Amino acid sequence: AQKVTQAQTEISVVEKEDVTLDCVYETRDTTYYLFWYKQPPSGELVFLIRRNSFDEQNEISGRYSWNFQKSTSSFNFTITASQVVDSAVYFCALSRPGANSKLTFGKGITLSVRP
Amino acid sequence: SQTIHQWPATLVQPVGSPLSLECTVEGTSNPNLYWYRQAAGRGLQLLFYSVGIGQISSEVPQNLSASRPQDRQFILSSKKLLLSDSGFYLCAWSMGDRGYEQYFGPGTRLTVT
Repeated sequence: AQKVTQAQTEISVVEKEDVTLDCVYETRDTTYYLFWYKQPPSGELVFLIRRNSFDEQNEISGRYSWNFQKSTSSFNFTITASQVVDSAVYFCALSRPGANSKLTFGKGITLSVRP
Repeated sequence: SQTIHQWPATLVQPVGSPLSLECTVEGTSNPNLYWYRQAAGRGLQLLFYSVGIGQISSEVPQNLSASRPQDRQFILSSKKLLLSDSGFYLCAWSMGDRGYEQYFGPGTRLTVT
């Protein structure tokens, strides 16, 4: 069975602080995909990144960076110099490859960035 | 480019009334389609998914049903709403032959009174 744990439920930071959102996953599959989604107050889930299990290279996109470590089954997300617009609920998710694949979501982390 | 639409955006319905939520996808063919529900302050619950016209898989037994009458149309229905059906309903699509990311619609906020 697949499982995603986001132990942090709520995080509050002051603007310009760096913040890391943790994600730990469990799977017996050797091939899998990991994702991060952002849900702003409007409600729509916005896809941020997909990572393949065979690619442990860290990724940076502007102020966002992701650290994937298979040894610890973690896929952490760091926002550098946070901004108020980063305030949202962030979900980590896991899936298998294939046409019938389904996303297993964590429970989400509510990030509040104060001005 | 692909876009996904959901309507209505908000809905207030009395207990026992019927429900029909619609989701359509543009710009792709043979997508996988999904319905999720998000109760207030909680995570996402997968309700139904479909890999093709007329093919529906149910994840959670309940008084909701789903149908896929056309390739890019996914409908969520109920004959009689319960108070517990209140929540935020999200439709999503993904590429038909891969386990890649899902793209979500804007959602429908349903309040059952």
